Amino acid sequence: DAKTTQPNSMESNEEEPVHLPCNHSTISGTDYIHWYRQLPSQGPEYVIHGLTSNVNNRMASLAIAEDRKSSTLILHRATLRDAAVYYCILMNNNAGNMLTFGGGTRLMVKP
Amino acid sequence: DSGVTQTPKHLITATGQRVTLRCSPRSGDLSVYWYQQSLDQGLQFLIQYYNGEERAKGNILERFSAQQFPDLHSELNLSSLELGDSALYFCASSEFGVYGYTFGSGTRLTVV
Repeated sequence: DAKTTQPNSMESNEEEPVHLPCNHSTISGTDYIHWYRQLPSQGPEYVIHGLTSNVNNRMASLAIAEDRKSSTLILHRATLRDAAVYYCILMNNNAGNMLTFGGGTRLMVKP
Repeated sequence: DSGVTQTPKHLITATGQRVTLRCSPRSGDLSVYWYQQSLDQGLQFLIQYYNGEERAKGNILERFSAQQFPDLHSELNLSSLELGDSALYFCASSEFGVYGYTFGSGTRLTVV
């Protein structure tokens, strides 16, 4: 499986933008980049996904490097409710749509 | 409410016992996935079903089994329970394809 590398933890101030990086240098052409987050005591929650182009939705934006070897999840204005573990995952449709979770990045938001 | 329902929310049982965890997927989703999350292991994929058929297996112990029924709900059976089986068990569902998964809120199993 293609792997991802994320920082163990990051800190942000409330109402400021947050850029969460992810490296996936062994990504294949058919791998989609997915982001999930897990709030304390809850199940993981889908955030966003993309293949080659940048993507925006109501929760976040996903910026994908031109060579696809890295991506960045952007939270435009962090709130205290965004404090969670954020997982960057590669999903390959040819491999049965498996989500394999790594350690993720623990985001702490300071008021 | 994510649309994926897991029952029970909490379960306390003794070593050596057997339990069944239940999952109802989001309406229209044919795929069901089971994950185990313990403190020292993170989220581990156990097994996937698609429209009643087993699709993929991960790190699932032989003491564990699962099935998906014609109405698409799924059950995870855990037997001969050990202290180390204490964990959160999550179910997720998805349409087939590279769309997102929807997770339930989990069942917290405590083996004493």
